[in-house]
Order: sequence, then structure tokens, then C-alpha cells
Amino acid sequence: EIVLTQSPGTLSLSPGERATLSCRASQSVSSTYLAWYQQKPGQAPRLLIYGASNRATGIPDRFSGSGSGTDFTLTISRLEPEDFAVYYCQQYGSSPLYSFGQGTKLETK
Amino acid sequence: EVQLVESGGGLVQPGGSLRLSCAASGFTFSNYWMHWVRQAPEKGLVWVSRINGDGSSTNYADSVKGRFTISRDNAKNTLSLQMTSLRAEDTAVYYCVREGLGGSYLTWGQGTLVTVSS
Repeated sequence: EIVLTQSPGTLSLSPGERATLSCRASQSVSSTYLAWYQQKPGQAPRLLIYGASNRATGIPDRFSGSGSGTDFTLTISRLEPEDFAVYYCQQYGSSPLYSFGQGTKLETK
Repeated sequence: EVQLVESGGGLVQPGGSLRLSCAASGFTFSNYWMHWVRQAPEKGLVWVSRINGDGSSTNYADSVKGRFTISRDNAKNTLSLQMTSLRAEDTAVYYCVREGLGGSYLTWGQGTLVTVSS
């Protein structure tokens, strides 16, 4: 069974700073099948990145994804006030068929 | 506008049943795999089930296999989840989700809350 582990659990930063979020898989994941989501309180998640590095429609270019194999990264180049939220990585294709990391909470310092 | 609207959530006793529905609009419903994903209060996201475009193929998470049944009506652009033998641990917001490229979740509904409690 593949497990996605996100770190850190909580990241405290200020607007304007750079955020680097990590997602590590217990087994290799195809880059094609790795995605990132943003979730704000009381809202459904929103797709940010698919295929490890492709921004979804309407996502600002300050969001970028990278990585391969077992190590993937979501980077927010310059934090805006609306970026403070919980972020999840997700994989498709390994047992279980779809799975998510436990999330990283990005909070205002 | 692409939209998914869930309904059918509520309070149910342990061992009871509930049927969730999701009304889809703004896209060609039959062209997409559709999923249910749930989120327990203050917890993370968990995949529940998926169904292919014509309804001929389904998959379930181990935790719901044999208890939940996913189905779709392409004529009515509706996705359903029949839940039986409900347990306290099934308490969650249930999201209807449209799959996009590479198994990503392209479009999410607003969610419907299911509470299993006596």
C-alpha cells in the first residue's frame, strides 16, 4: 500500500515569502499521476497542479510543482494573503487506487 | 458553468442506510469518470469510490466495499452513492468529484454532510 507523507505538518510564513511543501511517497509514483490541491475552511478542495508540474486552469503562476519518483514539491513563490490554507497531495494508480497525503497547513506567521 | 451539486446527507443511526445524489451540469457527464471522496470532521481527504463513463466499471475503497454502491444515470446527469450498514466512522462530508487528467480531481461539489450517530 502506498502512503503519501506531507511535510511539514504546519508551515508558518508571512505574505511575500516563499513556501515549499513536500510530499513523499512510500513507493515510486508516476509523475503523470501526482496532483496538488488547496482547501480553505468550509470549502471544497481546488485542483492546483496535475501531472506533478502542470498548473490547472486559472491557477496563478506563483504556484509550481516539481519532483519525480518518491519526492514531490509544491512551491508558492511569493505568498499572497489568500494562499493561507491546507494543501494536499494525491496519487492515482497504486493501492489504494487513489490516496491523499495528510495535508500541510500553511498559516500566517 | 461546470457544476456538481450534492444532496441527500443527514443524520442516520448506526446500521442505517442513506442515498446520496449529485446533479452534474455544464459538461458532457457521460464522458467522465466520477468519484465520491469524503472528509471526516477536521480530518483529511479519503477516496471512497469511482465509476466510469458508461457505468460498466466501478471501484471501492476497502473500508466501504460491500456496503456502498456507486451508480450513475447519464440520461439525468446524476451520480449516486447508496450507503448501507453505516458506521460512526462513515461520518464525513461527502464530495462528488469529476476526474480530470492523470487521475486528478478536476471539479468538486460543495459536499453533503453525513452523520452516523444514535
